[in-house]
Amino acid sequence: QKEVEQNSGPLSVPEGAIASLNCTYSDRGSQSFFWYRQYSGKSPELIMFIYSNGDKEDGRFTAQLNKASQYVSLLIRDSQPSDSATYLCAVNNTGTYKYIFGTGTRLKVLA
Amino acid sequence: GAVVSQHPSRVICKSGTSVKIECRSLDFQATTMFWYRQFPKKSLMLMATSNEGSKATYEQGVEKDKFLINHASLTLSTLTVTSAHPEDSSFYICCASANLGTGGGAFFGQGTRLTVV
Repeated sequence: QKEVEQNSGPLSVPEGAIASLNCTYSDRGSQSFFWYRQYSGKSPELIMFIYSNGDKEDGRFTAQLNKASQYVSLLIRDSQPSDSATYLCAVNNTGTYKYIFGTGTRLKVLA
Repeated sequence: GAVVSQHPSRVICKSGTSVKIECRSLDFQATTMFWYRQFPKKSLMLMATSNEGSKATYEQGVEKDKFLINHASLTLSTLTVTSAHPEDSSFYICCASANLGTGGGAFFGQGTRLTVV
């Protein structure tokens, strides 16, 4: 089992819809969870982080964390074509000082 | 968010030469630096992790004598690709993290596209 798993996609959603990106992790000691967006040919940029169970909202983005189920998700409301990118989930266990990345989910927002 | 500057953004070199890539954290102290490489349409692959003032920890299969990492200060880490060959052509990305006690996040440099001819 991979440490951080994401569906590679592509996930296609129409413009204006909600895009739901999911990520599961195997290390129960994980404490911090991050979502990055990577456009083709560019390096990843941090868009959201979450530490506590529940939801965290930032503009059109909502991160959801369920530690019991070892599940973290990212919702993008009112999806725009400019949101089309690969979204990487990352998990950090401060004891190991290592960030484990998923392989990413490619999102396509159709105009 | 925090700013990480990586230089150069693009380099073309001849086979057999060495290339140095610099990564600087501009507005925070990076206690840990990660170096990744990424092939086209593939996921990030962690090469090594370095903490300031100590030797880097390399991932399995990554040659430490070929990919020299120096993390001499809390704001600067360098990756030197020695005796580069065409198969080393890739997108190299540094990633700096800070304040791990509170899970402060990891921030990427802009990446360096290396082409070895």
